[in-house]
Amino acid sequence: SQELEQSPQSLIVQEGKNLTINCTSSKTLYGLYWYKQKYGEGLIFLMMLQKGGEEKSHEKITAKLDEKKQQSSLHITASQPSHAGIYLCGADRDSAGGGSNYKLTFGKGTLLTVNP
Amino acid sequence: DGGITQSPKYLFRKEGQNVTLSCEQNLNHDAMYWYRQDPGQGLRLIYYSQIVNDFQKGDIAEGYSVSREKKESFPLTVTSAQKNPTAFYLCASSIDIQETQYFGPGTRLLVL
Repeated sequence: SQELEQSPQSLIVQEGKNLTINCTSSKTLYGLYWYKQKYGEGLIFLMMLQKGGEEKSHEKITAKLDEKKQQSSLHITASQPSHAGIYLCGADRDSAGGGSNYKLTFGKGTLLTVNP
Repeated sequence: DGGITQSPKYLFRKEGQNVTLSCEQNLNHDAMYWYRQDPGQGLRLIYYSQIVNDFQKGDIAEGYSVSREKKESFPLTVTSAQKNPTAFYLCASSIDIQETQYFGPGTRLLVL
């Protein structure tokens, strides 16, 4: 079965610092989703990447999918306390015949703490 | 306001009791999903429904049941057969099975 490994598991940064979170798969990623979660709350959709080499940005958050479509990174520039939370990557699972079966597998999350 | 609502926010279950978690969406989405989140384990898919009156088992369906009688609603029942029900339950929906999933605020189930 497809598994997603996120690194680091947790991260503590000083406000204003840049940081990167990684999501790695052993299999081709057909669709890669980034979500943010505050403890005890639902997931907030951030971005979705599909094509190898694709990069998307929203405010100070940039997500990239590598050319081989097996690794994605989430980069936050000039972090703020509002960026604190759990970041999860999710990916469309591959079907037995190739391609996506449209069910998502999730990584275990990266806990981000931003100290003021 | 369009969105996904889950109720209650907290739910307590006694031994041998069935409990039902509510999930409602007014986004006109065809697909709906239930996930369970445990510390250190990420999200695991319990059941999903591509369209009204249809649903499929996910990875951990044992001890759970669902219905999809209305497009807007996808309730999850945690039965007494589920021996370890304590978890955070998340409902999601998407326009169709191929599109981005959007999540509700979650229900935390605790066992007395």
